Amino acid sequence: DAGVTQSPTHLIKTRGQQVTLRCSPKSGHDTVSWYQQALGQGPQFIFQYYEEEERQRGNFPDRFSGHQFPNYSSELNVNALLLGDSALYLCASSFRGLAGGMRNEQFFGPGTRLTVL
Amino acid sequence: AQTVTQSQPEMSVQEAETVTLSCTYDTSENNYYLFWYKQPPSRQMILVIRQEAYKQQNATENRFSVNFQKAAKSFSLKISDSQLGDTAMYFCAFMKTPTGANSKLTFGKGITLSVRP
Repeated sequence: DAGVTQSPTHLIKTRGQQVTLRCSPKSGHDTVSWYQQALGQGPQFIFQYYEEEERQRGNFPDRFSGHQFPNYSSELNVNALLLGDSALYLCASSFRGLAGGMRNEQFFGPGTRLTVL
Repeated sequence: AQTVTQSQPEMSVQEAETVTLSCTYDTSENNYYLFWYKQPPSRQMILVIRQEAYKQQNATENRFSVNFQKAAKSFSLKISDSQLGDTAMYFCAFMKTPTGANSKLTFGKGITLSVRP
């Protein structure tokens, strides 16, 4: 059973560029959450996708956008990159199901290390 | 808004000894979940243990146990018989009881635990 996978592992971009990060959830999971983890800090919630819609959003600017596909995989897009966007981006998946309740455990992927020069 | 505070940035423990990691949080919610996550140098965030706020009994998972003090809003992690593989960054995290979209994790800044041989 494959866990949460993320690609790419590492990425180097320059200021002003755009980047797309990808996440495949754990088998059986239907909800994907994205977190930004600056060096030496705890992860900060960016947003969460369920049923191909953004359901919650943290305190991040509109430069951060996402998408969820019918197979539950997800993308995180960041436009007009700033030096401060350099971080580890973590994807977490969980199961919400049809009833609206949710098993609360989130399984994390290995992350994508983004460096903005 | 919820906040999670981990005031100890680093701790060190001798192999086979016991160590306690501290965490406090602030919330106006009555029902919620608390978690301890482990992040080794490999970056993969792994769930160590979780506690539902409505449960009075402290959660235990093998060598890991928590001391949950709801009134004091304190949630410490005790690691018994420390092993070299316990060396990692440990994060305390909070989640509202998930109803609908309230399933984001709020993390503390983390504590770096080193286990000495």
